[in-house]
Amino acid sequence: QVTLKESGPVLVKPTETLTLTCTVSGFSLYNAKMGVSWIRQPPGKALEWLAHIFSNDEKSYSTSLKSRLTISKDTSKSQVVLTMTNMDPVDTATYYCARILWFNWNQFDYWGQGTLVTVSS
Amino acid sequence: DIQMTQSPSSLSASVGDRVTITCRASQSISRYLNWYQQKPGKAPKFLIYAASSLQSGVPSRFSGSGSGTDFSLTISSLQPEDFATYHCQQSYSTPYTFGQGTKLDIK
Repeated sequence: QVTLKESGPVLVKPTETLTLTCTVSGFSLYNAKMGVSWIRQPPGKALEWLAHIFSNDEKSYSTSLKSRLTISKDTSKSQVVLTMTNMDPVDTATYYCARILWFNWNQFDYWGQGTLVTVSS
Repeated sequence: DIQMTQSPSSLSASVGDRVTITCRASQSISRYLNWYQQKPGKAPKFLIYAASSLQSGVPSRFSGSGSGTDFSLTISSLQPEDFATYHCQQSYSTPYTFGQGTKLDIK
């Protein structure tokens, strides 16, 4: 059974750095055909892809947020970590991690439940 | 970045209706188009990949079509559990991008 679960702070202050962790089970981050993406959704707005990482450590980032994002993984712990620097109230959103099937159609076939992060002083 | 435009943004329909949602890409994405269903307060659920292939377990009343820049999602006979927001997403190239979503509600 594939599951993903996001964890991290529910409230951050403007200018702070956000660190989110995605813990996966039911598949391995060693699997060359799978990776993990982070996606966010501001309240009432569209989904926005942020970043992904694969077993070979290949990474890709959102064009507009690239300078603020870092994605990494700890394969032994089955965890993927996303950091976003210089948080602003416009970054208030539900943050999801999702499994991505590489060498397939790059679809997000399993999603975590999401974690709502509010940016406020 | 590839822009994805869905239409309509919202749609009202009745149980049993046939509905179609369209999604247009700003450049050709071959068939790298996926659809997701999202209910309030929940994570998106994966429905369709490669424009027209149903994910395992998705009811056959859902279908997808298209290639290049124009795509559609059709629900042949709406059921009460289908009222939700639908998102298209291109997976042709990074940064992957989503449409703005289509909210389907009960008339």
